[in-house]
Amino acid sequence: AQTVTQSQPEMSVQEAETVTLSCTYDTSESNYYLFWYKQPPSRQMILVIRQEAYKQQNATENRFSVNFQKAAKSFSLKISDSQLGDTAMYFCAFMKRVSYGGSQGNLIFGKGTKLSVKP
Amino acid sequence: ETGVTQTPRHLVMGMTNKKSLKCEQHLGHNAMYWYKQSAKKPLELMFVYSLEERVENNSVPSRFSPECPNSSHLFLHLHTLQPEDSALYLCASSQELAENEKLFFGSGTQLSVL
Repeated sequence: AQTVTQSQPEMSVQEAETVTLSCTYDTSESNYYLFWYKQPPSRQMILVIRQEAYKQQNATENRFSVNFQKAAKSFSLKISDSQLGDTAMYFCAFMKRVSYGGSQGNLIFGKGTKLSVKP
Repeated sequence: ETGVTQTPRHLVMGMTNKKSLKCEQHLGHNAMYWYKQSAKKPLELMFVYSLEERVENNSVPSRFSPECPNSSHLFLHLHTLQPEDSALYLCASSQELAENEKLFFGSGTQLSVL
């Protein structure tokens, strides 16, 4: 079974600074995806960034980037130039690809890190 | 407009009530899901519908009954719930088998069972 661990329940960062959120996972699968989702107080789960396990290049989306270390099963999220709107719960998630190519939407989530951006 | 709309936003019900949660996706996706988010546990997948057929039921008690009448609509029918069922229920959709498959979530229904 897959597990996802986020070891930082809460973090804070000053506006405009950089923060890194940690995530490790455990799996015996070789074909999978990793995600970071953000959940602001509005409760909607918003996709931040996605990484395919077979790609060595780290994914980036504007101010968000990941450090994907497949051998170490580590998938950290770096937020540069933090903004007040980045305040939210951040969830790391794992999804394996099943044999026919689909996923059946089975995201395995970590418990989340509550990020506060301070002015 | 998020693409995935859930109603109601909040629901309070007694243990003997029957209620339904509704989800609608406007993204043309072919798969829909129910997730449960409890205060102290990670999000858990409850049900999966792919092409309107239920393909997964993760050992969810029978007091939760999903329905997917078409690819755009998903319901979760609730009856004789327990207080421990109080949680945020999130609906999601995706285009299964897409090269860049990813889930889009609604804002959830916050359920309180008294």
